[in-house]
Amino acid sequence: QVQLQESGPGLVKPSETLSLTCTVSGDPISSDYWSWIRQPPGKGLEWIGYIYFSGRTNYKSSLKSRVSISLDTSKKQFSLKLSSVTAADTAVYYCARGIAGYSSSWYFDYWGQGTLVTVSS
Amino acid sequence: SYELTQPPSVSVSPGQTASITCSGVKLGEKFASWYQQTPGQSPVLVIYEDSKRPSGIPERFSGSNSGNTATLTISGTSTMDEADYYCQTWDSSSGVVFGGGTRLTVL
Repeated sequence: QVQLQESGPGLVKPSETLSLTCTVSGDPISSDYWSWIRQPPGKGLEWIGYIYFSGRTNYKSSLKSRVSISLDTSKKQFSLKLSSVTAADTAVYYCARGIAGYSSSWYFDYWGQGTLVTVSS
Repeated sequence: SYELTQPPSVSVSPGQTASITCSGVKLGEKFASWYQQTPGQSPVLVIYEDSKRPSGIPERFSGSNSGNTATLTISGTSTMDEADYYCQTWDSSSGVVFGGGTRLTVL
């Protein structure tokens, strides 16, 4: 059974960098797309980006200038950094395993429990 | 950028069939997935590749995708199906795209 667990500060000051880590168990993290998704309070899901096990990344275009996702296969962890945060970045942040099937099929089969990050001074 | 549109809410009587739609340009030429999210919980995958059910998801959940619309159908609904449902696809230009979500009420 694959399990993902987010960790990191629950409060970040405006203009600073949000940093979260996702620890994976039950999967060697040597394939698939390791992803971050967020959900502002009371709103819908927003994909942030992913890192492939090879190290290749892909980010949502509107966040690309502020986002970085990295992977540490030895620790079975992947991390999110989001710079220059504002109150609009307040959200529950989820890590998830993305599966890319044939012919552009794509879905998330395992999700972490989510962690609320509040941006406030 | 590619967009998916869902109705904000759908209501159904217990035991009846609920249909939740997801619209996007030529969505039928892509694959659609669906997630169920109950309050305070993480999303759960209920349909992938238009109509496939992950292990553990009841047969009451089914999906289809044609033209510009993907549809999640839940038969024999009960209050345990009350949740927010999100559709999702992959677009070559936009990456992963989620719909805005639909609140299903069973009453």
